Amino acid sequence: GDSVTQTEGLVTLTEGLPVMLNCTYQTIYSNPFLFWYVQHLNESPRLLLKSFTDNKRTEHQGFHATLHKSSSSFHLQKSSAQLSDSALYYCALSDISGSWQLIFGSGTQLTVMP
Amino acid sequence: GGIITQTPKFLIGQEGQKLTLKCQQNFNHDTMYWYRQDSGKGLRLIYYSITENDLQKGDLSEGYDASREKKSSFSLTVTSAQKNEMAVFLCASSTGTGGARDTQYFGPGTRLLVL
Repeated sequence: GDSVTQTEGLVTLTEGLPVMLNCTYQTIYSNPFLFWYVQHLNESPRLLLKSFTDNKRTEHQGFHATLHKSSSSFHLQKSSAQLSDSALYYCALSDISGSWQLIFGSGTQLTVMP
Repeated sequence: GGIITQTPKFLIGQEGQKLTLKCQQNFNHDTMYWYRQDSGKGLRLIYYSITENDLQKGDLSEGYDASREKKSSFSLTVTSAQKNEMAVFLCASSTGTGGARDTQYFGPGTRLLVL
């Protein structure tokens, strides 16, 4: 079945350094739809950005990601980390066939230090 | 805008007990979801409902029942609580027009602890 892999469970970096959180996926369908959700401490998950267009950069709130179907990847990046970026980040997958189930990765906890 | 309310916020139960969690949304969304959140395991879908009185099983439905009494509410029942179980249950909703491609809006969660 479909799956999403986030290889880093914990990422710690210093404020001002670039952020890259990895996300790869497996699906039998040719039209995947990828999402990044973010969950700050004591808050609910909320959508950060989403994409279904191959090789097109999607941006929101300083973060960006590009869906690469050739490598089945949708990595999340930001040029300069801020303390407020500390949160749990989930990559998620659905497919255009109309499945109602969103498949989440295991999550990456990002901690930004001063 | 809208809001999702989950009750109770904290739930402490006994082994073998049947426990019910409730979710209300005022987005007027058609689709509602129940997820279980465990550290290091991500969000796993328990049940979802496309519309009132509809129920669909997710990957983690065993041990749970659900009920969509009306468009705005979706309940989840733990049929027999497992000893030492500890998890957060998240309710979510979406418009339903695009299936799982829709943005999902999450509630604050119910934290379960079974003694």
